Amino acid sequence: QVQLQESGPGLVKPSQTLSLTCTVSGGSISSGSYYWSWIRQPAGKGLEWIGRIYTSGSTNYNPSLKSRVTISVDTSKNQFSLKLSSVTAADTAVYYCARASRRGLDYWGQGTLVTVSS
Amino acid sequence: SYVLTQPPSVSVAPGKTASITCGGNNIGTISVHWYQQKAGQAPVLVVFDDSDRPSGIPERFSGSKSGNTATLTISRVEAGDEADYYCQVWDSSSAHVVFGGGTELTVL
Repeated sequence: QVQLQESGPGLVKPSQTLSLTCTVSGGSISSGSYYWSWIRQPAGKGLEWIGRIYTSGSTNYNPSLKSRVTISVDTSKNQFSLKLSSVTAADTAVYYCARASRRGLDYWGQGTLVTVSS
Repeated sequence: SYVLTQPPSVSVAPGKTASITCGGNNIGTISVHWYQQKAGQAPVLVVFDDSDRPSGIPERFSGSKSGNTATLTISRVEAGDEADYYCQVWDSSSAHVVFGGGTELTVL
């Protein structure tokens, strides 16, 4: 059973860079035709897709965040990561990592709350 | 960019059928996935590729499409189905995932 777990600071100062890591267990991040994705959800609001990475390293990003987002993968650690630069209070949200295929986002992490505040 | 439109809320009595719609331009030509998100939990995939169910999802959950609308139907609704439901597609023109705004299902 594939499991994903987000980790990283729960508090980030405005203008700084938010950094999160997703650790995948129960399977190799390199196997299969999967995209490893980040999604976020501000309190009381809907889901917002941030971006995804394929194990080859190719990425796709939400156009509204593209200038500030970098997603990378470390196959040796079975992890992938998110960096979001120049954060503001509007970036405060629960951040989820998930596995995606043509059949949708089938495995999700439990989510981690990141608050942007000084 | 591509927009998916869902009703903000749907209410249904226990044992009845709930229908949650998701509208989008030419949605009939692309795969639609549906997620259930209960309070304080991560979303769960309940329908993929318009109408298929992942292992472990009850048959009460079904999906369909007609014209520019996809529909998630929940039969014999139970109190435990109370949740937010999101539709999702892949927008190939701009290469990104799009979620609908979500529908809050209330079981009366």
